[in-house]
Amino acid sequence: EAQVTQNPRYLITVTGKKLTVTCSQNMNHEYMSWYRQDPGLGLRQIYYSMNVEVTDKGDVPEGYKVSRKEKRNFPLILESPSPNQTSLYFCASSFRTGRSSYEQYFGPGTRLTVT
Amino acid sequence: QQPVQSPQAVILREGEDAVINCSSSKALYSVHWYRQKHGEAPVFLMILLKGGEQMRHEKISASFNEKKQQSSLYLTASQLSYSGTYFCGTDFRGNTGKLIFGQGTTLQVKP
Repeated sequence: EAQVTQNPRYLITVTGKKLTVTCSQNMNHEYMSWYRQDPGLGLRQIYYSMNVEVTDKGDVPEGYKVSRKEKRNFPLILESPSPNQTSLYFCASSFRTGRSSYEQYFGPGTRLTVT
Repeated sequence: QQPVQSPQAVILREGEDAVINCSSSKALYSVHWYRQKHGEAPVFLMILLKGGEQMRHEKISASFNEKKQQSSLYLTASQLSYSGTYFCGTDFRGNTGKLIFGQGTTLQVKP
């Protein structure tokens, strides 16, 4: 089954304790992204990757790191989480279609609470 | 740079029609539309490309006015299953993976 998986699905942690949220896709997609979703603000892109070893900042990259060492995996790293990073996080992957555009497949989401 | 969606929320009866608009202050390469049901991940509906034709997904269609940098989503004869939050995602450069989403429009369809 084609899918994007994220782990963990729920996480409660404390300020300053480094954490990693994993994302994996089995569709051989070139593009992968991380978003955070907060009430009233929609989906905001944190980082995106166009292929292995190619990543770029989205709109809200502060406090986050990513890496893309393999095509299928795109982990999100919070080196020193703070309470303002409490949010719902989505990973997404996409491919190129026709005229160089793409549809995004979203993972199930990770609800992170930082106390 | 975030596109502006209107209205923010709409309530319909089954069978009624609705239009959701997405406006950008910058020239767009493409516009994506997604629907998110409560507690679930967003699901792709359609993409509108520059110079492309109007798209349809079941009884949902969309248009893209490149000159006005606007896209509209048309929901015809709405069904209960249409309830959810609709997001437009704007792509300014094409072929990069970078999308900027609007704040969302919540649609509630009542029996």
